[in-house]
Amino acid sequence: KQEVTQIPAALSVPEGENLVLNCSFTDSAIYNLQWFRQDPGKGLTSLLLIQSSQREQTSGRLNASLDKSSGRSTLYIAASQPGDSATYLCAVNQAGTALIFGKGTTLSVSS
Amino acid sequence: DTAVSQTPKYLVTQMGNDKSIKCEQNLGHDTMYWYKQDSKKFLKIMFSYNNKELIINETVPNRFSPKSPDKAHLNLHINSLELGDSAVYFCASSQDQARTGGYTFGSGTRLTVV
Repeated sequence: KQEVTQIPAALSVPEGENLVLNCSFTDSAIYNLQWFRQDPGKGLTSLLLIQSSQREQTSGRLNASLDKSSGRSTLYIAASQPGDSATYLCAVNQAGTALIFGKGTTLSVSS
Repeated sequence: DTAVSQTPKYLVTQMGNDKSIKCEQNLGHDTMYWYKQDSKKFLKIMFSYNNKELIINETVPNRFSPKSPDKAHLNLHINSLELGDSAVYFCASSQDQARTGGYTFGSGTRLTVV
């Protein structure tokens, strides 16, 4: 059974720092992996989608990598800003089930 | 245009009542989902429909019944509400069970049972 783990559970950084959020999964037979952002009391916003055949995807200051064989993905945020404060969720999609989520990393960026 | 819309956004009701949450997507996707986000913010799949056919039914009490009148709509009906049903319920959609694309989520329905 697929399990998705995100480390750390919480992270506090000063504005301007580059940071890395980690995601690991136990079953490498995935279609794709998706990173989401959730602000308090709000819905999920999709940030990046990486197909199983891809190694990375970039959007603005965000870069997500995928190493399917080792069951790992990282979300790199460059030059963090207070507006980046949110919970970041990693989720994997595979055959026979729906998107399986990690428990998230709550990021706080101070000005 | 909202891609995946849920109504209502907030729902406060008493134990024992029956309530429904509606979801509609205008993305032309063929697969829709209901997720539950508990008090610890963990998201867990409840149901999934593909072209109006139920394809995923996780261990959910029989009091929860999804209904898909067409592939653009997936509603969730809950009977005999209990305190433990309080949570945020998210609807989502994808194309071809997201083999190549991703999921799009609605903004959630916060259900409070008192």
